[in-house]
Order: sequence, then structure tokens, then C-alpha cells
Amino acid sequence: ELKVEQNPLFLSMQEGKNYTIYCNYSTTSDRLYWYRQDPGKSLESLFVLLSNGAVKQEGRLMASLDTKARLSTLHITAAVHDLSATYFCAVGYSSASKIIFGSGTRLSIRP
Amino acid sequence: GAVVSQHPSWVICKSGTSVKIECRSLDFQATTMFWYRQFPKQSLMLMATSNEGSKATYEQGVEKDKFLINHASLTLSTLTVTSAHPEDSSFYICSASRDSRTPGNTIYFGEGSWLTVV
Repeated sequence: ELKVEQNPLFLSMQEGKNYTIYCNYSTTSDRLYWYRQDPGKSLESLFVLLSNGAVKQEGRLMASLDTKARLSTLHITAAVHDLSATYFCAVGYSSASKIIFGSGTRLSIRP
Repeated sequence: GAVVSQHPSWVICKSGTSVKIECRSLDFQATTMFWYRQFPKQSLMLMATSNEGSKATYEQGVEKDKFLINHASLTLSTLTVTSAHPEDSSFYICSASRDSRTPGNTIYFGEGSWLTVV
């Protein structure tokens, strides 16, 4: 059974600081996703990572994937308040569109 | 704009009644759609895989007789919560992709449907 664990579950940080969210998964997968969710809303796709060593960056967010370690990271650089949200990683499972979500990391960025 | 649309966005129903939520792919055909449930401040839990023209595949612990899924066309899947109870109150989200066979293909999520059972 595929298990996806995120760490930390909650993070409060100051603007301008850097931090990394970790996503570990239990079985081999060929794809990993990162999503953002604002309160009361659905999911916004951030990144799709398909291969070992893949790194993608968008603004202050950078995601990487190590398939050997079954680990993905989401790095936040010089955080700003607008990045406050809940971030989920999700891992592909079975068919190409079936994904299992991590617990989520609730990120709160204060001035 | 949205490529996967859910309806309704919000629904309040009485205990014991049934409520139907629709998930539509707007500009592509989806042979497979997925239904998730999310309780407040929790993650998304996969409930079932909706297969066009055949029975849905339910995840372990999800009651198939309570959560009826129908995927009658290539653009529409419905989730019916039967005999709803307050503990069924949750945020329900569907997803679909243009090509479910291609890893990494963009997965589109619906806007979600808030269900409150009173």
C-alpha cells in the first residue's frame, strides 16, 4: 500500500526566510505532484516531477525529486505572505491519473 | 478557465436524504475520473475511481452502497451520497486528465463541492 508522508504538518515562518517541506513515499512511483490549496478552495497545480533528479522552479518555489530515496522536497526561498496556503504532495499510484496525497503542510508566513 | 467543473459548489441537505454531485470535463473526454473527500484541515482521501461504462472501483473502507458513482458518459461522472448523515459533511473534489494513460499528464481538479448535512 502506498503511503505518502509530509513533514512538517504546520509551519509558521517570517517573511524573507527560507524553508523546505519534505515528502516521503513508501513504494516506487513514476510521478510526483505538488499542489497548493487556499482555504475553502480546490487545488492549484504547482509541479509535476517525473524522473530522478528532476528539479523545477517557479518563482520562489523549487521542487526536486529523488526517486531512489523516495523523497521530494519543496523549497521556499525568501518567503512572502502570499505564499501562505496548504501545500500537498501527491504520488502516482497504479493508473496514470490515480494519485495519493500526503497529509499536507499548512504554511503561515508572517510579516 | 476551468476544464473540470463540479456542481453544486455548496449543498446543505437534511439527514437521511440523498444528494448528487456532478463532475464534468468541459473540453475533453475522460474515461476515468477520481473522487476525493477532504475533511476540514485534513488531506484529500481518494474514495473511488470512476470508470466510463463500467463499475467504479472503490478504495478500502469506502462504502460503495453509500457513495454511488455513475460515469454514464465520457464527460460526466456523478457521486450520490445516499442517506446522508452529519458525518458525511465534507469537501468533495473530483479530478480527471485528458489522457489517463500518460504519466505526468496534467490532472485537472474540479472546484470542489461543500456538503453539509444537518
